[in-house]
Amino acid sequence: GQQLNQSPQSMFIQEGEDVSMNCTSSSIFNTWLWYKQEPGEGPVLLIALYKAGELTSNGRLTAQFGITRKDSFLNISASIPSDVGIYFCAGQNTDKLIFGTGTRLQVFP
Amino acid sequence: ETGVTQTPRHLVMGMTNKKSLKCEQHLGHNAMYWYKQSAKKPLELMFVYSLEERVENNSVPSRFSPECPNSSHLFLHLHTLQPEDSALYLCASSLRTSGNEQFFGPGTRLTVL
Repeated sequence: GQQLNQSPQSMFIQEGEDVSMNCTSSSIFNTWLWYKQEPGEGPVLLIALYKAGELTSNGRLTAQFGITRKDSFLNISASIPSDVGIYFCAGQNTDKLIFGTGTRLQVFP
Repeated sequence: ETGVTQTPRHLVMGMTNKKSLKCEQHLGHNAMYWYKQSAKKPLELMFVYSLEERVENNSVPSRFSPECPNSSHLFLHLHTLQPEDSALYLCASSLRTSGNEQFFGPGTRLTVL
């Protein structure tokens, strides 16, 4: 079946640092989504990407839809303590969302 | 209430119990989903409903029984569960099943003793 490889699995960074994470797949997707999940809560949609090469920002977050349509990247600039959580990528074609295994982000003051 | 709500938020049940999880979406969406989230595993899609009709059942054991009485409500009926069924059960909705973002509820943390 389709799989998404998300890396890194976890990150421990200092407040103020920039963060980069990515997802890659052997399959092509038409849509890439990035979610954040905090403890005890469901995933919250951060950014949606619909076109190869698209670069979209949401505040300090920037995500890109890879040109090959097989990968996507999420960057967080100037991290703050409330950025802590698990970040999931998800790729969609037809009617199924395939999720990555998540990147756990810890931010230290 | 806005968005997607789920009740209960926490549930502990024995293997012989019968319980139900409830999901309600206030977004006017036509598609609803049940996912299972276990530690260190990707989200696993269980069921998909589109306009109250089940369109996908991802080889889920029959001890999980979904019900979608209308496009705003989704239930997951549980009976004779196993300890390995302990997980976070997430409900989501989207405008349509294809090409749309899914919005998640807060989940029900289920523990099977």
